[in-house]
Amino acid sequence: GAGVSQSPSNKVTEKGKDVELRCDPISGHTALYWYRQSLGQGLEFLIYFQGNSAPDKSGLPSDRFSAERTGGSVSTLTIQRTQQEDSAVYLCASSPRSGYNEQFFGPGTRLTVL
Amino acid sequence: QKEVEQDPGPLSVPEGAIVSLNCTYSNSAFQYFMWYRQYSRKGPELLMYTYSSGNKEDGRFTAQVDKSSKYISLFIRDSQPSDSATYLCAMSAETAGGTSYGKLTFGQGTILTVHP
Repeated sequence: GAGVSQSPSNKVTEKGKDVELRCDPISGHTALYWYRQSLGQGLEFLIYFQGNSAPDKSGLPSDRFSAERTGGSVSTLTIQRTQQEDSAVYLCASSPRSGYNEQFFGPGTRLTVL
Repeated sequence: QKEVEQDPGPLSVPEGAIVSLNCTYSNSAFQYFMWYRQYSRKGPELLMYTYSSGNKEDGRFTAQVDKSSKYISLFIRDSQPSDSATYLCAMSAETAGGTSYGKLTFGQGTILTVHP
């Protein structure tokens, strides 16, 4: 079956512009995660959605970052007023339910802020 | 100091060698330990998963967890060029219900190259 898909695969933007990154999880997966992968930093947790529960936003680095998940499926990560330090690969993952041991990752969106 | 420390390498070995990858951590609440493999320009994929202390073997791969030392390892036997990738350790705490809390804390990743 189809895996996690993310769009766009690459995004180049100018400092100060807003960007939206999209994630389509595996159908039926109720848990959805966003991570950021920067050079030399590994994967950094950003936000976690589980069903209709309030999301865990503890990893969002600033109030310029926000995310929503509509209808328990597609999720959008929005970065406002982008900065050069926001340049990274943004990875989305999903799992069948909270507490499931495996997270299935998409290929990521490579964001470059000039 | 990061919660999870992992030597980024890079590590280069000849085909057939035994590879040892390691992570240390500081958060004693971590109970679930995972190794993910990530090929270039791809998302990570789960390789091994272990709960609490002990060993787990799957084919050429063995994962070890020593909670007393806060140290985990992944061994790859008879390494192949197709094993060339970045290996990421990941950990999570346990919920009150006894399941893995979804948020994963990752190490930096070790870049491994196995040359023919």
